[in-house]
Amino acid sequence: QITLKESGPTLVRPTQTLTLTCTFSGFSLTTSGVGVGWIRQPPGKALEWLAVIYWDDDKRYSPSLGSRVTVTGDTSKNQVLLTVTNMDPVDTATYYCAHRKGDFDYWGQGILVTVSS
Amino acid sequence: QSALTQPRSVSGSPGQSVTISCTGTSSDVGGYNYVSWYQQHPGKAPKLMIYDVIKRPSGVPDRFSGSKSGNTASLTISGLQAEDEADYYCCSYGGSVIYVFGTGTKVTVL
Repeated sequence: QITLKESGPTLVRPTQTLTLTCTFSGFSLTTSGVGVGWIRQPPGKALEWLAVIYWDDDKRYSPSLGSRVTVTGDTSKNQVLLTVTNMDPVDTATYYCAHRKGDFDYWGQGILVTVSS
Repeated sequence: QSALTQPRSVSGSPGQSVTISCTGTSSDVGGYNYVSWYQQHPGKAPKLMIYDVIKRPSGVPDRFSGSKSGNTASLTISGLQAEDEADYYCCSYGGSVIYVFGTGTKVTVL
């Protein structure tokens, strides 16, 4: 059974760096073809893909966030970290991590991160 | 990479069919057979309903079907049921291992 869960701060100040952790079970990030992606959703708005990391440590990022986003994997802990620098109130959103093998087929419950001073 | 365009809302009566469109470009929807659809109920995480344009994951009712023509993909829900009322998002591979979601469509069961 594949499960994922996001954790991290729910309130960050503007200009701070956000680091979220996705802890997963039921699969290994070393299995060929497997990836973990990050997707966010501002309140009342659409989903936005942010980043993905694959079994071979290939990493891809949304052009819209540029160099602000970094994703890293810790296969020994079954965790994937998302870092977003220079947070702004427009980055307020529910952040999801999701298992990917072909598509985002299993999702975490999401974590609402609010950016406010 | 701009978001894929979906109608803001569609509605139908129980038992009817509704179709949601998802329009992109030749660089995403039109260029690859990698379009997926997600259902999202309020306060819940998205659920994969269709992948690779036309395929259904195990457990998804066959009332849900996908198709594509040119730069536009579509999701059809046949025999609409009350539990189908939700937001629906398309997603396409955009080349260079990046992905783009649609603007989202609210389906209302009258």
